Amino acid sequence: GESVGLHLPTLSVQEGDNSIINCAYSNSASDYFIWYKQESGKGPQFIIDIRSNMDKRQGQRVTVLLNKTVKHLSLQIAATQPGDSAVYFCAETLDSGGGADGLTFGKGTHLIIQP
Amino acid sequence: DGGITQSPKYLFRKEGQNVTLSCEQNLNHDAMYWYRQDPGQGLRLIYYSQIVNDFQKGDIAEGYSVSREKKESFPLTVTSAQKNPTAFYLCASSMVSDTQYFGPGTRLTVL
Repeated sequence: GESVGLHLPTLSVQEGDNSIINCAYSNSASDYFIWYKQESGKGPQFIIDIRSNMDKRQGQRVTVLLNKTVKHLSLQIAATQPGDSAVYFCAETLDSGGGADGLTFGKGTHLIIQP
Repeated sequence: DGGITQSPKYLFRKEGQNVTLSCEQNLNHDAMYWYRQDPGQGLRLIYYSQIVNDFQKGDIAEGYSVSREKKESFPLTVTSAQKNPTAFYLCASSMVSDTQYFGPGTRLTVL
C-alpha cells in the first residue's frame, strides 16, 4: 500500500505487505529528519533518522528515503506486522546536531494493518 | 532502569488553576523539551532547555512556564493564562547533538 498526498490521515495495508508512508517538509534549510511511531496514549518512539547529506538509510525492516529536490521524505516498512499499527510522524529540524532547538512535526499518518 | 518519566499520567484541573507537570530523566541528557499534542495532530514545541538554568520559548509558549534547576528535571507549569490547556503533554530529552527521545506523556483535562 502507498499513501499519496500530503494529508492522507489513514493508510490501510494487509499484513505481510510493504507500506510506504509519505511526508512533505516545509523548510528547505532543514537538514535532519526523523520518523517516529506513536501508539495510542503513548509517547512517540524513535524509528529511524536521516541527515541531509544522505538520500537513503536502512534499518531493521524500515527504510527512509529523502528527496531534497522536492522536499519529500518517505518511510518504507517491509512485511508489515500487526504491531506496526500506529500513527507515524515525520519531524524536521534545522540543527544538524539532532534538533537541539526543537523539532517540527508533520500531522501524522495512521497505519492500519489488516489481517 | 533508565529513561524518561512523566507524572502524573492523567491530570484534571479546574479553570483558573495552575498545574505543574513533572519530567525526569536519568539518561544524562543535556537538552530537554516540552511538546503539546492535540487530538489527531502532530506535536508542537512549548519550551526547551539545552543546559541547566537556561531555557528558550518554542512555538506556543504563551500560558506556560518552565524551570531547569537540575539537569535531570524540567517541570512544566500550565498557568491559568493558557486559554485551551486540555491536551496530551510530552517531554523529551537528548544529548545536544543527538536524537530526541520521548517520555510516556501526561494527559491534562480542564474541567
